[in-house]
Amino acid sequence: AQSVTQLDSHVSVSEGTPVLLRCNYSSSYSPSLFWYVQHPNKGLQLLLKYTSAATLVKGINGFEAEFKKSETSFHLTKPSAHMSDAAEYFCVVSVRRNYGGSQGNLIFGKGTKLSVKP
Amino acid sequence: NAGVTQTPKFQVLKTGQSMTLQCAQDMNHNSMYWYRQDPGMGLRLIYYSASEGTTDKGEVPNGYNVSRLNKREFSLRLESAAPSQTSVYFCASSEAWGAGQPQHFGDGTRLSIL
Repeated sequence: AQSVTQLDSHVSVSEGTPVLLRCNYSSSYSPSLFWYVQHPNKGLQLLLKYTSAATLVKGINGFEAEFKKSETSFHLTKPSAHMSDAAEYFCVVSVRRNYGGSQGNLIFGKGTKLSVKP
Repeated sequence: NAGVTQTPKFQVLKTGQSMTLQCAQDMNHNSMYWYRQDPGMGLRLIYYSASEGTTDKGEVPNGYNVSRLNKREFSLRLESAAPSQTSVYFCASSEAWGAGQPQHFGDGTRLSIL
């Protein structure tokens, strides 16, 4: 079955330093992958998506992620953290046809809380 | 730019009471979803509607029912609320149903059951 694992439940960085949020996925098919961000008491906002085009995906607010098939990873990065980046981030895989579950449905990681220190 | 609108935003119920959570989207999307979010669990799919007129169970459907009222609206009903259903509920929509379709989320309904 498809699954996604976020390797850190909490990451803390200083403002202006790089951000790395790690995500590994499990899938025998080429997956569709997403990163979402959730600010406190808000819904989830799409940061970026990978759907088998370029392996380096650029998203909103300066975030990007690189799809590495050999490592089954889809880590999220940002060169310089801002205070407004403090939030919870979810790595998500989209179920593919004939691979268990319902096509198109999303499987969420458990989330990584990002704290940004001044 | 309303997107996905959920009502109410907060609700407190007593065990055994019933209520309906409302969701409406104005993006002309075909597919809609209900999730629950619990601490440390990510989001789990309760029910979804791939298109108007269809609904299907997700990962955690027990204790819930849904109605796709029309293309815009998708409601979630708790017939007899239980404390285990205390959670934050999110409605989402996508343009179509299928792999690779991003979903757009509402701001959630925070539900406490005493």
